[in-house]
Amino acid sequence: QQQVKQSPQSLIVQKGGISIINCAYENTAFDYFPWYQQFPGKGPALLIAIRPDVSEKKEGRFTISFNKSAKQFSLHIMDSQPGDSATYFCAASIRGGGSQGNLIFGKGTKLSVKP
Amino acid sequence: EADIYQTPRYLVIGTGKKITLECSQTMGHDKMYWYQQDPGMELHLIHYSYGVNSTEKGDLSSESTVSRIRTEHFPLTLESARPSHTSQYLCASSVGLAGWGDTQYFGPGTRLTVL
Repeated sequence: QQQVKQSPQSLIVQKGGISIINCAYENTAFDYFPWYQQFPGKGPALLIAIRPDVSEKKEGRFTISFNKSAKQFSLHIMDSQPGDSATYFCAASIRGGGSQGNLIFGKGTKLSVKP
Repeated sequence: EADIYQTPRYLVIGTGKKITLECSQTMGHDKMYWYQQDPGMELHLIHYSYGVNSTEKGDLSSESTVSRIRTEHFPLTLESARPSHTSQYLCASSVGLAGWGDTQYFGPGTRLTVL
């Protein structure tokens, strides 16, 4: 049973455009939702994270939108740049939840930003 | 940037050999993880540890074993490598900030090829 569903699997965006990646979760106990970015040959790295007490969080060109009632959250990359080309993973966990505190990752989205 | 190291970075080995993938972190994190990932694809949790002498199997069944004798060291061992073990192995450690979920810091990975 996949607890975090991520879409699309791949995404091609023109430079300057908006990239949008969506995730849906099933476990209503999840209360921490990070996004990780992975470049080829590297391990994933935390990009931005949100808690369910806010509906949006913005850091530079990256924004997380969170819809608790729909159990969905999304990553928006504004003014996408070729350097943003990477694989993006959404994740969810329960804060301080022992083994439930382990991150549950989506399957990833490969983003390519064309010049 | 977190200090988490994996060696070797690349390994090509014949079927039936015993191998140990090394992972070390200098941040004093209690929690550590091993993931299996085909390049750019889904992350599969295969082992995790919450501290010295604590190890648990993850979501993906794996023929590998792990040990945690020291906080900073979390090696993964395959007693008899097979071609089906060909993959990338990522090690991570994590820490939680007050009010937030755990942030996982990933190593660069070991790319294993079993002939």
